[in-house]
Amino acid sequence: SAVISQKPSRDICQRGTSLTIQCQVDSQVTMMFWYRQQPGQSLTLIATANQGSEATYESGFVIDKFPISRPNLTFSTLTVSNMSPEDSSIYLCSVEFSSTGLTGEQYFGPGTRLTVT
Amino acid sequence: AQTVTQSQPEMSVQEAETVTLSCTYDTSENNYYLFWYKQPPSRQMILVIRQEAYKQQNATENRFSVNFQKAAKSFSLKISDSQLGDTAMYFCAFMKPLRRSRLTFGEGTQLTVNP
Repeated sequence: SAVISQKPSRDICQRGTSLTIQCQVDSQVTMMFWYRQQPGQSLTLIATANQGSEATYESGFVIDKFPISRPNLTFSTLTVSNMSPEDSSIYLCSVEFSSTGLTGEQYFGPGTRLTVT
Repeated sequence: AQTVTQSQPEMSVQEAETVTLSCTYDTSENNYYLFWYKQPPSRQMILVIRQEAYKQQNATENRFSVNFQKAAKSFSLKISDSQLGDTAMYFCAFMKPLRRSRLTFGEGTQLTVNP
C-alpha cells in the first residue's frame, strides 16, 4: 500500500502569518484533495488539487486564503494565508488512485495540526 | 445536496462484545458509495469499509460489517468482538460515483472500548 506523508505534523503560528503544508505520496495518484477538520468537528473538503491547473475550491473557501499547488502526480501543497485563531484545525490531504477511482476510495495522510495564537 | 447524520456522538462497549454505530443519509441519487472511516487518537483517517448502493449484499471486512438499508437510507456499522484498538472516532461518509467527487462526512461517533 502507498505511503502518504504530510509536513509539518504540527505547528504553532502567530496570527497574520502563513503556513505551507506539504503532502507527498510514494506513488502516482489521480486525485489529491485537501480537507479541514476544526476542533471536535467532522471533515470538510477545502479543494481538489488539480495537476497542472488551478485547484477547484468548495463553497466557502477561496484561493487567496488557501492557495494550492500540485506540480506533479505525487505532491501537493496547501498554504493557509494571513492566519487567524479560527484557522486552528487539522488539515488533511487525501488521495485517490487510478485503481480505486471508480470505487471512490480515498486514502488520507496523517494530518497537520495547526494552532494559531 | 447530500447530508449525512450520525445521531450517536458517543458510544462505549466492553471488550469482546458487539456494537453497532448508526448512520443515515439524504440523497436524491440512485447510485452512490458509502464509507466508514476510523480516526484513532493519532488522527490518521483509516478506511474501514465501503458499500456500493447498487449492491444489495452487505459489505463485510473481518470483524466489521454493515447493514445497508437503501430504502430507509440507513448505513450502520457493526463491530464484532470489539478490541481496545477499535477505540476511535468513526465517521460515516457519502460519495456520488463520479471521479472528482467529494466525500461528505457525518459528525462522527466516538467509540470507546473498555477492558
